[in-house]
Amino acid sequence: EVQLLGSGGGLVQPGGSLRLSCAASGFTFSSYAMSWVRQAPGKGLEWVSGIRDSGSTYYADSVEGRFTISRDNSKNTLYLQMNSLRAEDTAKYYCAKGELGAFDQWGQGTLVTVSS
Amino acid sequence: EIVLTQSPATLSLSPGERATLSCRASRSVSGYFAWYQQKSGQAPRLLIYDTSTRATGIPARFSGSGSGTDFTLTISSLEPEDFAVYYCQQRSNWLYTFGQGTRLEIK
Repeated sequence: EVQLLGSGGGLVQPGGSLRLSCAASGFTFSSYAMSWVRQAPGKGLEWVSGIRDSGSTYYADSVEGRFTISRDNSKNTLYLQMNSLRAEDTAKYYCAKGELGAFDQWGQGTLVTVSS
Repeated sequence: EIVLTQSPATLSLSPGERATLSCRASRSVSGYFAWYQQKSGQAPRLLIYDTSTRATGIPARFSGSGSGTDFTLTISSLEPEDFAVYYCQQRSNWLYTFGQGTRLEIK
């Protein structure tokens, strides 16, 4: 059974930093692209960042230069380093497994709140 | 960036009726296209990928179609558990965008 367990969310002040983690199990983690998708309270889905099995990385314009995605295939873990956080980054952050251009498995989400 | 616009924003139907949800892209989608269902408090669930292929375990009443800039999700006969929010999504050159969602509510 595929499992994606996100962690690392919490309350942070504007301008602060946070690192999210997503522990994967039940599939060959190193063979798949992974992404972070967020959802602000009461709003729709927004793709944030993705990383291919090759290690190539991609970002939405809204986070480019502030967020860094990475993966540790030896630990089956996906990360999102978030710097210079803003109020508009407040959201539930989901990690998601990529397959044929879509996201076929999702974590339970971890909540990030940016507020003073 | 390809912008996806879903219509209608809200669709009110009764169980047993047919639902047609639309998604229009700001320019032609040459890559992948998918649909998701999200219920309150839950993570999204993949319904359709590659425009028209049902994901594992998705009932046959769900179908996807389209090409270019116009895509459609059809639910042939609504079941009570189908009332939820639906999102379209595309991937081009490893960049993804989602539509703003269509809320399917019970009439």
